[in-house]
Amino acid sequence: QMQLVQSGSEVKKPGSSVKVSCKASGGTFGSYAITWVRQAPGQGLEWMGRTIPVLGLANYAQKFQGRVTITADKSTSTAYMELSSLRSEDTALYFCAREESVYYYYLDVWGTGTMVTVSS
Amino acid sequence: DIQITQSPSSLSASVGDRVTITCRTSQSVSSYLIWYQQKPGKAPKLLIYGASTLHSGVPSRFSGSGSGTDFTLTISTLQPEDFATYYCQQTYSDFHNFGQGTKVEIK
Repeated sequence: QMQLVQSGSEVKKPGSSVKVSCKASGGTFGSYAITWVRQAPGQGLEWMGRTIPVLGLANYAQKFQGRVTITADKSTSTAYMELSSLRSEDTALYFCAREESVYYYYLDVWGTGTMVTVSS
Repeated sequence: DIQITQSPSSLSASVGDRVTITCRTSQSVSSYLIWYQQKPGKAPKLLIYGASTLHSGVPSRFSGSGSGTDFTLTISTLQPEDFATYYCQQTYSDFHNFGQGTKVEIK
């Protein structure tokens, strides 16, 4: 069964960037998409965007357009989410998740989560 | 963008109760509606996809219904381990947004 292992927590200054990794163990990305979702403290889930590694495509939530870049390295089955121009509101727990798309699109395997704290 | 209205935002219930949570979308999403359960500090878990298909390993007390714009998640007999927050998500459009969540608390 595939697992998604994310990089460790980060503390960043406002205005800087963060790059979070998500490595698949026990399997490969294959034809799956990888989605990034974040959750601010005490808040709900927020969909950020996704990439389809086999196609090299990505799409993003409008809210994050221009600030987020989601990529994947098929050779290492590792996906990345880079968020720039960080502000305090970006403090959140960031999850990657595998998107199954045989018929319907749904997130069936989730990463371990990476806490990103933005503070001066 | 497709807007999702999930209700209620929270509810109190007792073990053994029947619980119903609804999601309404601003336009039809066909059956591209997903339900997740999340416990504090943990990643969400997939419960139902395609509006009504139970994911492997999910107890049969969970069920989903609906199509188009109106959807329901039902827990037939609430168990202690079901106290959690539940989210719906639409995956019909290119932007796969979530509902606001429903926290199920112990009465």
